[in-house]
Amino acid sequence: DQQVKQNSPSLSVQEGRISILNCDYTNSMFDYFLWYKKYPAEGPTFLISISSIKDKNEDGRFTVFLNKSAKHLSLHIVPSQPGDSAVYFCAASGGGATNKLIFGTGTLLAVQP
Amino acid sequence: ETGVTQSPTHLIKTRGQQVTLRCSSQSGHNTVSWYQQALGQGPQFIFQYYREEENGRGNFPPRFSGLQFPNYSSELNVNALELDDSALYLCASQDWYQETQYFGPGTRLLVL
Repeated sequence: DQQVKQNSPSLSVQEGRISILNCDYTNSMFDYFLWYKKYPAEGPTFLISISSIKDKNEDGRFTVFLNKSAKHLSLHIVPSQPGDSAVYFCAASGGGATNKLIFGTGTLLAVQP
Repeated sequence: ETGVTQSPTHLIKTRGQQVTLRCSSQSGHNTVSWYQQALGQGPQFIFQYYREEENGRGNFPPRFSGLQFPNYSSELNVNALELDDSALYLCASQDWYQETQYFGPGTRLLVL
């Protein structure tokens, strides 16, 4: 039972355009959501997060939107840069006694120069 | 400020052997979590340690065990290695009262 889903395995965008990465979840108890970026042979790097009491959080070129009724969140990257090319993981916490993270399967973003 | 470090970076073992992976948490963090990432998958939660006690465990068998030391560093031990244990093992640290976990570079384990 996959509680966090990233249905797009890959996404290709042109440099300077917007990248939109999507994530769906099933557990309504999740109260905190995070996005991580991962390059090959490195650990995940924290990008941005959002609490369930908010519907938007912005940090520079990165914005995360949360739609609780649809159990959906998205990461917008504007403008996209070639260095943004990586695998992006959506993660959620708050579904149990620990603050363990439940991850999606990731989306490979390729930003074309 | 020192980030999360892990050792070794790579490891090759044979089936049935035992392995110990190590993690040093980021300065100021008192909670360590371990994750297993198989190829093409997201990280899967193994267990978490807070104040040297296990605080939650994922769907992993007892041959996966861990320790946390007074300086908040941690070890992951896997006994009786199986071929399916081949994966990237990630350590993440956080302050107990904060939600965000920060990951180390991982240890790539190959079981032959």
